[in-house]
Amino acid sequence: DSGVTQTPKHLITATGQRVTLRCSPRSGDLSVYWYQQSLDQGLQFLIQYYNGEERAKGNILERFSAQQFPDLHSELNLSSLELGDSALYFCASSPPGQLAGELFFGEGSRLTVL
Amino acid sequence: KNEVEQSPQNLTAQEGEFITINCSYSVGISALHWLQQHPGGGIVSLFMLSSGKKKHGRLIATINIQEKHSSLHITASHPRDSAVYICAVREYGGATNKLIFGTGTLLAVQP
Repeated sequence: DSGVTQTPKHLITATGQRVTLRCSPRSGDLSVYWYQQSLDQGLQFLIQYYNGEERAKGNILERFSAQQFPDLHSELNLSSLELGDSALYFCASSPPGQLAGELFFGEGSRLTVL
Repeated sequence: KNEVEQSPQNLTAQEGEFITINCSYSVGISALHWLQQHPGGGIVSLFMLSSGKKKHGRLIATINIQEKHSSLHITASHPRDSAVYICAVREYGGATNKLIFGTGTLLAVQP
């Protein structure tokens, strides 16, 4: 158990819909990262938050948005869903300071868009 | 051409064999991660390297920054080592853990 919690584990929805994925980082970790793993693109970095502020952005579509709340949990919002958004979405957290590069992954949220 | 290339893509080994998975990258990096993903999902970070060599149990990771190459070795392999092994790099000057991922090596260790 990494200490990173993601919900829901599985989600099935229809095209055009909107979903929210939730991530609770390990206690004490200030950074949260979102990654997408799809069959055709593999793993890709989406976005990073550090202590409530957006720190880095990757290949995140405009239809997707994220935020990190004062209690440090994060949510990834996916809207106007398309079939190609079907993927595993991973959240990871890392501690502050010298161990900032260490990564702890959640179990992932598997999104299926029908 | 991908910025991070792994070889082999697929590897089948007999229990007890010594295994090597290679990762080459084309960008300047500040760190390299080796990740493990078992079938059905979760990802575990095995190593983070910026130079030299690290060892954890039967796993050894090495990196040669000048040659832009890293290897993951598994000694005395076991069926529970069967998983996908993924190399990921953080570009030099890039944000922490804004990673570029390889496509993974699928390892099957047969008893």
